[in-house]
Amino acid sequence: GESVGLHLPTLSVQEGDNSIINCAYSNSASDYFIWYKQESGKGPQFIIDIRSNMDKRQGQRVTVLLNKTVKHLSLQIAATQPGDSAVYFCAENSGGSNYKLTFGKGTLLTVNP
Amino acid sequence: GAGVSQSPSNKVTEKGKDVELRCDPISGHTALYWYRQSLGQGLEFLIYFQGNSAPDKSGLPSDRFSAERTGGSVSTLTIQRTQQEDSAVYLCASSPGPRSTEAFFGQGTRLTVV
Repeated sequence: GESVGLHLPTLSVQEGDNSIINCAYSNSASDYFIWYKQESGKGPQFIIDIRSNMDKRQGQRVTVLLNKTVKHLSLQIAATQPGDSAVYFCAENSGGSNYKLTFGKGTLLTVNP
Repeated sequence: GAGVSQSPSNKVTEKGKDVELRCDPISGHTALYWYRQSLGQGLEFLIYFQGNSAPDKSGLPSDRFSAERTGGSVSTLTIQRTQQEDSAVYLCASSPGPRSTEAFFGQGTRLTVV
């Protein structure tokens, strides 16, 4: 079936370094791909999305890259801060008439001071 | 309130009992989701409501699970004859419409079945 998954379950970086979190997807029909951040004890929070007809989108300290050829999505966080420590989920907004959000398994990002 | 509100925040129940989990979405949001999150795991899709359309129930794990959304607003997720494997955090989210990628999540209900 269709799925969204992650290459790495955990990532540890030093404060100030750049972080890259990866995700593989299988549903070519999705219109959007999205990154969410979940801090401990909280619900996921939207970070940034990218439409399927784009290959790059930038936000504040974050960049999302989409490679449709290999069905790969990544989130780059510049100058990672301790407050960035969280679980990061990629998600897709399924195409067609059903636009439900489907989430991957998540990557735990730990930022060391 | 301004955000998605879920109640209760914690629920401990005995195996075999029924439970009801409540979600108050953001006013005006037409889309509402229920997800289940086991410890250290991702978000498992359960059910999706969009406006007056028939809900997408494809993620409900068994017929013990059901959900309603009354008046296009408040939603209740009901689990009958709870089992220990039902223990998880149940998250509700709402979004402005079907094409919105930004879903707003509540804090979740942590369900423990003993």
